[in-house]
Amino acid sequence: EAGVAQSPRYKIIEKRQSVAFWCNPISGHATLYWYQQILGQGPKLLIQFQNNGVVDDSQLPKDRFSAERLKGVDSTLKIQPAKLEDSAVYLCASADREKLFFGSGTQLSVL
Amino acid sequence: TQLLEQSPQFLSIQEGENLTVYCNSSSVFSSLQWYRQEPGEGPVLLVTVVTGGEVKKLKRLTFQFGDARKDSSLHITAAQPGDTGLYLCAALWGYQKVTFGIGTKLQVIP
Repeated sequence: EAGVAQSPRYKIIEKRQSVAFWCNPISGHATLYWYQQILGQGPKLLIQFQNNGVVDDSQLPKDRFSAERLKGVDSTLKIQPAKLEDSAVYLCASADREKLFFGSGTQLSVL
Repeated sequence: TQLLEQSPQFLSIQEGENLTVYCNSSSVFSSLQWYRQEPGEGPVLLVTVVTGGEVKKLKRLTFQFGDARKDSSLHITAAQPGDTGLYLCAALWGYQKVTFGIGTKLQVIP
């Protein structure tokens, strides 16, 4: 079974630039999550989708972050403009009931 | 948001030693999960505990859910270098909502 695919693996940008991350979940998984993991910390939920609807985006900094899940499959997360404190690993996960499967993440460095 | 506290945050031990990692909260959870994360990879689910007082074993790893469903522990017997990684506990609440603790970074020295 194919796992959760994320791209790119690494991204380096300057502050105030924009960046986008892509996630392809496991086929058939209705729930998709984006987490932000800052070095030395546990993952922090940014947004949770159920099919193409948003379940929870209470911790998403909506002035600069946006996410969409068109057709209830692939998802993109965008940051515009980026700040230094956005440097982190961005993890995508999809769920089969309460079992989460994570991608390898995108490591973002904002200089 | 459910707050989870993990301890210790860092642990460095010799191969063959035993260790216990703790996950605590003031909130009651419907269930709790443990994940292991290796560098450059996403977390991988190890176990889900649901019933208060439940004990689950996965080879040399023993997971326990507190009677009041507010805390959990992970015990590793005879640690191996392959056990090195970041151990995360996660609380399940609401509709498939998952909140993670800060993690315990374990290093097992050969």
